[in-house]
Amino acid sequence: NAGVTQTPKFRVLKTGQSMTLLCAQDMNHEYMYWYRQDPGMGLRLIHYSVGEGTTAKGEVPDGYNVSRLKKQNFLLGLESAAPSQTSVYFCASTGLAVAYEQYFGPGTRLTVT
Amino acid sequence: AQRVTQPEKLLSVFKGAPVELKCNYSYSGSPELFWYVQYSRQRLQLLLRHISRESIKGFTADLNKGETSFHLKKPFAQEEDSAMYYCALSGHAGNMLTFGGGTRLMVKP
Repeated sequence: NAGVTQTPKFRVLKTGQSMTLLCAQDMNHEYMYWYRQDPGMGLRLIHYSVGEGTTAKGEVPDGYNVSRLKKQNFLLGLESAAPSQTSVYFCASTGLAVAYEQYFGPGTRLTVT
Repeated sequence: AQRVTQPEKLLSVFKGAPVELKCNYSYSGSPELFWYVQYSRQRLQLLLRHISRESIKGFTADLNKGETSFHLKKPFAQEEDSAMYYCALSGHAGNMLTFGGGTRLMVKP
């Protein structure tokens, strides 16, 4: 039982490049989330999903897209990376069975130069 | 709009001293409040939630609706309590969390 995993762990992009971050969970959770963590600003919600095939915008969605084609996976895409997207990205999941406690992945450190 | 404020970015105490990490929130309905903790090189994890009214690792937090606060307290800090602490609020559908900016607790020997 790996919990929540994220791929990759680190990435450096040049401005304008694109990439996809993968989040996978093996706990059969209904809800999945993508956050970004910046110093002094805590974690801010980018996008979330309440079930397979559904996604919704969070607090800071601009510049990101997501997809949830399978219940266990939640993908975060950056179409044209900008230096302002340099951050640590966390994926989390939760479900009714765990009383909505959110389980977090280890994070992806992204640097955009 | 809901908001969570943690006024201290860094709190430094000596081992054995009491510690209080402050959290204030704004929310128009009945919120559910949490404290999450991130130890060095570990994942963010739930420490406690207000509805359970538990003491976890010696920490307690009481929801004060009048003062809209959810401060985290421990009477005697230990070195292993050194970590980043986040207060969070859940009030939306989809069980989304709104996090505060976080407080880094350093417990000195």
